[in-house]
Amino acid sequence: GQNIDQPTEMTATEGAIVQINCTYQTSGFNGLFWYQQHAGEAPTFLSYNVLDGLEEKGRFSSFLSRSKGYSYLLLKELQMKDSASYLCAALDSNYQLIWGAGTKLIIKP
Amino acid sequence: GAVVSQHPSWVICKSGTSVKIECRSLDFQATTMFWYRQFPKQSLMLMATSNEGSKATYEQGVEKDKFLINHASLTLSTLTVTSAHPEDSSFYICSARGEWFEQFFGPGTRLTVL
Repeated sequence: GQNIDQPTEMTATEGAIVQINCTYQTSGFNGLFWYQQHAGEAPTFLSYNVLDGLEEKGRFSSFLSRSKGYSYLLLKELQMKDSASYLCAALDSNYQLIWGAGTKLIIKP
Repeated sequence: GAVVSQHPSWVICKSGTSVKIECRSLDFQATTMFWYRQFPKQSLMLMATSNEGSKATYEQGVEKDKFLINHASLTLSTLTVTSAHPEDSSFYICSARGEWFEQFFGPGTRLTVL
């Protein structure tokens, strides 16, 4: 079966760095997406990785290891507004997105 | 770019009535759109995949006669919740597939059935 695993909840301090991990098992693989979802709002696109390595976009970076079925989202210089759920989603061989349950990130002052 | 709108943003209706939700891709054409449902503090649940000009593909456990989907153009998909009941109260979110298979989400519609 297809499966995406990510931690349910994480807590970090304002100004710090946090890494949210995601492991995936899919039938075929065409890339890995990260989305941010604030409470009561729809998800917004953060990043897409299809090749191994690190993609940096401002304070946010995303890493992919295809051989390990593993990705992480790295958030630097955390701000209170980064408190949200972070969704990992893998694109399978049929180009369908398989969604993780999301990681709720709590930022403390 | 890649803006998706949804209308209405919230709706309250009586039990037994039908509610139509519109999803529009404003600045791009979307052959494929998706409809999700999300209950409070739960993850996104895919309801159906909507393809322009053809029948929608429903996920297991989603009643196609209750949740009618129409994707009549490359910029518009509609979801009609027929004979709504209180248990249908939820946050309904649509998304449109981009050229790299990413999904761009609409702002969501909060449905409350009394």
